[in-house]
Amino acid sequence: GAGVSQSPSNKVTEKGKDVELRCDPISGHTALYWYRQSLGQGLEFLIYFQGNSAPDKSGLPSDRFSAERTGGSVSTLTIQRTQQEDSAVYLCASSFGIDNEQFFGPGTRLTVL
Amino acid sequence: AQSVTQLGSHVSVSEGALVLLRCNYSSSVPPYLFWYVQYPNQGLQLLLKYTSAATLVKGINGFEAEFKKSETSFHLTKPSAHMSDAAEYFCAVSAPGGATNKLIFGTGTLLAVQP
Repeated sequence: GAGVSQSPSNKVTEKGKDVELRCDPISGHTALYWYRQSLGQGLEFLIYFQGNSAPDKSGLPSDRFSAERTGGSVSTLTIQRTQQEDSAVYLCASSFGIDNEQFFGPGTRLTVL
Repeated sequence: AQSVTQLGSHVSVSEGALVLLRCNYSSSVPPYLFWYVQYPNQGLQLLLKYTSAATLVKGINGFEAEFKKSETSFHLTKPSAHMSDAAEYFCAVSAPGGATNKLIFGTGTLLAVQP
């Protein structure tokens, strides 16, 4: 079956603009994660969704970052008033259940000019 | 809390030589441990995982890793490197049974394979 997909694959934006990044998890996977990969910070956890439970937002770096997951499937990560330090690759992963293998998407490369 | 340390941000081996990538972890609970590989401009692919069963774990592409609790290590090895193994490798830890299963990653090791 299809893997985790993310769109767009690349996004270039100007400082101060808002961006939306999309993740389509593997069908049937109940858990969804967002991670960020940047030169300065490496790979870091951002947010986690599991079923209908309240998301774990402990990794979001500021209140400019938010995410939602509609209908237990597709997720959107929104960054408001982007800053240059937001430039990174944003990775989405999904898993079937909380302790199972996470499958990663190809990522969205965000460049903030 | 969990953390991972990968010693050596860059490792270079000759084709056919042993690959050894080092990972040490810290965890307040029995951990799950993972090795992921990332090829250029691609996402992460799971190589292998330790989830408290056998301490010697075999993965894809001939890689294996051994969980050593006494050394808090989970080093990745492959007997004979191939050119296609050139990539970045990430060790990660998670704490099973908690409210989340987020992965805590090491800083990565870039493996170069020389002909």
